[in-house]
Amino acid sequence: DAGVIQSPRHEVTEMGQEVTLRCKPISGHDYLFWYRQTMMRGLELLIYFNNNVPIDDSGMPEDRFSAKMPNASFSTLKIQPSEPRDSAVYFCASSLTKGDRGRRGASYNEQFFGPGTRLTVL
Amino acid sequence: AQSVTQPDIHITVSEGASLELRCNYSYGATPYLFWYVQSPGQGLQLLLKYFSGDTLVQGIKGFEAEFKRSQSSFNLRKPSVHWSDAAEYFCAVGERSGFQKLVFGTGTRLLVSP
Repeated sequence: DAGVIQSPRHEVTEMGQEVTLRCKPISGHDYLFWYRQTMMRGLELLIYFNNNVPIDDSGMPEDRFSAKMPNASFSTLKIQPSEPRDSAVYFCASSLTKGDRGRRGASYNEQFFGPGTRLTVL
Repeated sequence: AQSVTQPDIHITVSEGASLELRCNYSYGATPYLFWYVQSPGQGLQLLLKYFSGDTLVQGIKGFEAEFKRSQSSFNLRKPSVHWSDAAEYFCAVGERSGFQKLVFGTGTRLLVSP
């Protein structure tokens, strides 16, 4: 398997422009996560999907950010309009739910990360 | 709310020396526990994980971690560090309640001196 694929790897844009980051999860995985990593705030979960449905978007910083997952093999994170403070590395991760044999009803995930997109907003 | 603390921001270890990176968590029950490594310019790679059973877990690249319930800790160890181990290491916890969110620590940057 090729792993989680993200594009572009680097993006430089000017303030006010729209930015779209793309992610292809590992085939067969049922969860997809978008993270943002900065020096100041570390690794933050922005949003995650289960079976293409957004489950928790409480980490999305503001309305300028939106994420979609039109099918099981593709997701986008869009920033419109972009601002310099959005400069960060954005990671996509995917996972496959596995049952926890030790506890009925519980499940766990092992997240596999993509290489990230380094976004610079000038 | 659960939280993860990695008290060491930077650690420098001589090549060949042993390593221990600390991780403490705050959670009402035993969570799932993970260690990830991030090399410069790369994504995060899973080193090892603890779900249940033996509290000493083995991972890739010669790493191991020990879960200590009484101390709410999950420290990462390696008996002999190689220069290629220089990277940032993240501890993470996940709930057992069926939710899939992981909470990450702030990371520890490992520097390896010759």
